Amino acid sequence: DAKTTQPNSMESNEEEPVHLPCNHSTISGTDYIHWYRQLPSQGPEYVIHGLTSNVNNRMASLAIAEDRKSSTLILHRATLRDAAVYYCILRYPYGGATNKLIFGTGTLLAVQP
Amino acid sequence: NAGVTQTPKFRVLKTGQSMTLLCAQDMNHEYMYWYRQDPGMGLRLIHYSVGEGTTAKGEVPDGYNVSRLKKQNFLLGLESAAPSQTSVYFCASSDPTGGGRMNTEAFFGQGTRLTVV
Repeated sequence: DAKTTQPNSMESNEEEPVHLPCNHSTISGTDYIHWYRQLPSQGPEYVIHGLTSNVNNRMASLAIAEDRKSSTLILHRATLRDAAVYYCILRYPYGGATNKLIFGTGTLLAVQP
Repeated sequence: NAGVTQTPKFRVLKTGQSMTLLCAQDMNHEYMYWYRQDPGMGLRLIHYSVGEGTTAKGEVPDGYNVSRLKKQNFLLGLESAAPSQTSVYFCASSDPTGGGRMNTEAFFGQGTRLTVV
């Protein structure tokens, strides 16, 4: 399984944008880049995913480097509720044993009021 | 729509006791997963299933067994609990087939906090 590297922790101020980086230099051509987050005392929840192009949804934006060796999750206006551990995961999109989600240690985001 | 439900939410076991954790999903997903999360660490995959009647080992399968007799249920068993199995256990489900967001999103339960003394 291709691995990802994320900073252990980051801090942000409320209502400011947050850029969470992820390096994945061994990504294969078929791997999708997924982001999940885990709020305190909860199970992980899906945030966003993409393959090559930048993606936007109601929660966040995902910016993918042209060579796909890195990506950045962007929270446009951080709120206190965004304080969580954010996981960047590479996932083969089709069926079979390789479809499993393998988590790293993630980035702990602290949001200051 | 309940999503993924884990039973029980909390449990304390004595060393050597056995127990079964139940995971139920109502989204008709093919794939189901069991993870454990130790304090300050990410989730580690224990076992997973790609369909009814099939199971496979993940990263840390030792000391656990699983069964997927029905598509909607995935059971995780501890035959002889050890203090090293004290952890929070998460179940998840997903379906890699189909289109749109449901193609790849995994849904997680709220977790089972297990303490082995």
